[in-house]
Amino acid sequence: GAGVSQSPSNKVTEKGKDVELRCDPISGHTALYWYRQSLGQGLEFLIYFQGNSAPDKSGLPSDRFSAERTGGSVSTLTIQRTQQEDSAVYLCASSLVGGDNEQFFGPGTRLTVL
Amino acid sequence: GDSVTQMEGPVTLSEEAFLTINCTYTATGYPSLFWYVQYPGEGLQLLLKATKADDKGSNKGFEATYRKETTSFHLEKGSVQVSDSAVYFCALSDRFGNEKLTFGTGTRLTIIP
Repeated sequence: GAGVSQSPSNKVTEKGKDVELRCDPISGHTALYWYRQSLGQGLEFLIYFQGNSAPDKSGLPSDRFSAERTGGSVSTLTIQRTQQEDSAVYLCASSLVGGDNEQFFGPGTRLTVL
Repeated sequence: GDSVTQMEGPVTLSEEAFLTINCTYTATGYPSLFWYVQYPGEGLQLLLKATKADDKGSNKGFEATYRKETTSFHLEKGSVQVSDSAVYFCALSDRFGNEKLTFGTGTRLTIIP
């Protein structure tokens, strides 16, 4: 079946603009994660959604970052007033919940802030 | 908080050489441990995992053993191939909280024919 998909694959924006990144998880996966991969910080957790529970936002680096998950499926990560340090690859992953279920990663969105 | 310390790279080996990539962790409780791999131009994918002490994860000739006494999960392969060239990430998840992954910094491995 289809894996995790993300769009766009690349996004170039100007400093100060808002951007939206989209993630389509694997059908039936109730857990969804956002991570960020950057040269300076490596791979870091941003936010986690699980079913109807309140999301774990503990990894969001600032209040310019927000995410939502509509209908328990598609998720959008929004970065407001982008800064150059936001440049990174944003990865989405999904999994079944419970035990130690494998997280399946999407191909990522490469964000470049000029 | 939880953390993963991973052998710094890059690592360059000749084909058929023995590979070890060191990984140690700090965590409360009893985490699950993972190795993820990112091949050139591809997404991150799970290579192997272990969920409790003394478990050995294995896949594609790679192995790693969950060592609670040394808080380690070193990745090994007896004879590497050019196709193993990739970036390898050690990671852990807290089984009793949400299952977010905490990653090491990654080790870039290049195998020379």
